Amino acid sequence: DTEVTQTPKHLVMGMTNKKSLKCEQHMGHRAMYWYKQKAKKPPELMFVYSYEKLSINESVPSRFSPECPNSSLLNLHLHALQPEDSALYLCASSQLTQGARTEAFFGQGTRLTVV
Amino acid sequence: AQTVTQSQPEMSVQEAETVTLSCTYDTSENNYYLFWYKQPPSRQMILVIRQEAYKQQNATENRFSVNFQKAAKSFSLKISDSQLGDTAMYFCAFTFRTGANNLFFGTGTRLTVIP
Repeated sequence: DTEVTQTPKHLVMGMTNKKSLKCEQHMGHRAMYWYKQKAKKPPELMFVYSYEKLSINESVPSRFSPECPNSSLLNLHLHALQPEDSALYLCASSQLTQGARTEAFFGQGTRLTVV
Repeated sequence: AQTVTQSQPEMSVQEAETVTLSCTYDTSENNYYLFWYKQPPSRQMILVIRQEAYKQQNATENRFSVNFQKAAKSFSLKISDSQLGDTAMYFCAFTFRTGANNLFFGTGTRLTVIP
């Protein structure tokens, strides 16, 4: 199983809504990532979890709240978003073992539209 | 700081022909990985090929090969026998060798394979 599964695939939310994006992997990876990708741009890192602990937060506004309940799951809780937060949100995972292959495997993303 | 530069925003190639996508990067680190990722319209970021910086031999994966010039900090991707399914955005990316780290992406090259 080399899949990273993201749900939902599409999400439309109002600026006062609270929603969550979900990501799941069963490859035994202990690093998980959230990236934000605007149209025709490369992905930009938001958060990194290593061994279920937040290790990198790229100065993301607090209206984005990540959570890693266990080694297979990664959530991104959304609250009071702005229209400029509309983007493709990509989840990824990678191994952390010394000497292991470190490439990131990506999910298909959640296309988020804030209205 | 780490930077990745892709100087070709768009390229096209005839089906069955060969095309080379360029990438240069800048880092003061000695141990790192380089990747080419493909993002078709389906949005999923798919790993095409990886290169470990300490390996002199250029990586190959079927029709895909790289020309890795460490001293010049250059990492180009050659696609042979181009197929319609190769139409996608291609991102060159860099990461450090150990730990859970950011993937530093270039700005991407949009490749169109013409029938």
